Amino acid sequence: AIRMTQSPSSFSASTGDRVTITCRASQDISNYLAWYQQKPGKAPRLLIYDASTLQSGVPSRFSGSGSGTAFTLTISCLQSEDFAIYYCQHYHSYPVTFGPGTKVDVK
Amino acid sequence: EVQLVESGGGLVQSGGSLRLSCAISGFTFSSYWMSWVRQAPGKGLEWVANIKQDGSEKYYVDSVRGRFTVSRDNAKDSLYLQMNSLRAEDTAVYYCARPRATTATNGGYDPWGQGTLVIVSS
Repeated sequence: AIRMTQSPSSFSASTGDRVTITCRASQDISNYLAWYQQKPGKAPRLLIYDASTLQSGVPSRFSGSGSGTAFTLTISCLQSEDFAIYYCQHYHSYPVTFGPGTKVDVK
Repeated sequence: EVQLVESGGGLVQSGGSLRLSCAISGFTFSSYWMSWVRQAPGKGLEWVANIKQDGSEKYYVDSVRGRFTVSRDNAKDSLYLQMNSLRAEDTAVYYCARPRATTATNGGYDPWGQGTLVIVSS
């Protein structure tokens, strides 16, 4: 199975900060990567698919990049509603796997 | 409005069975692959199973293969997960989820249901 890792596992940030989260795959997954945001008690929300395509309705401050084994999610100007856990997911092959998550909390 | 509503969760003893259901509305269910994803309390997300539009292809994570069965009834706009031989490690919130497009098989899930909690007591 393809293993997904994320870094950092958690960090503190302030509103207005530029935030970058890294996701790495244990083997080449091309651009078959999605990013999700999850808040406590809620289902995940799709932010990015195909590594860099913004899902409809998601604010443009979110962006994704990368291909192969290294990917990033960037939030250009952190808003109060962005404090959450972020997961990457590959869908290159079965089994589909998620990264362990990155928690972004208030500094 | 697109909606996925799970039901059927609850408390069950180790070795027991449960059947989860996911009722779909607001889109053409028969046009999409569908998935189950779970999340143990305080843990990350784990994909569980996928099923093709006509039910002819099914895929499972290794830890549930042989114990769980995914199925669907396109006439009833419903997705199911039959869970047998349940273990404590199956305790989780179970979500049904749809790929974002009819051409997608297993990536970019949107929307998701609200989840149903399964607790397996040992």
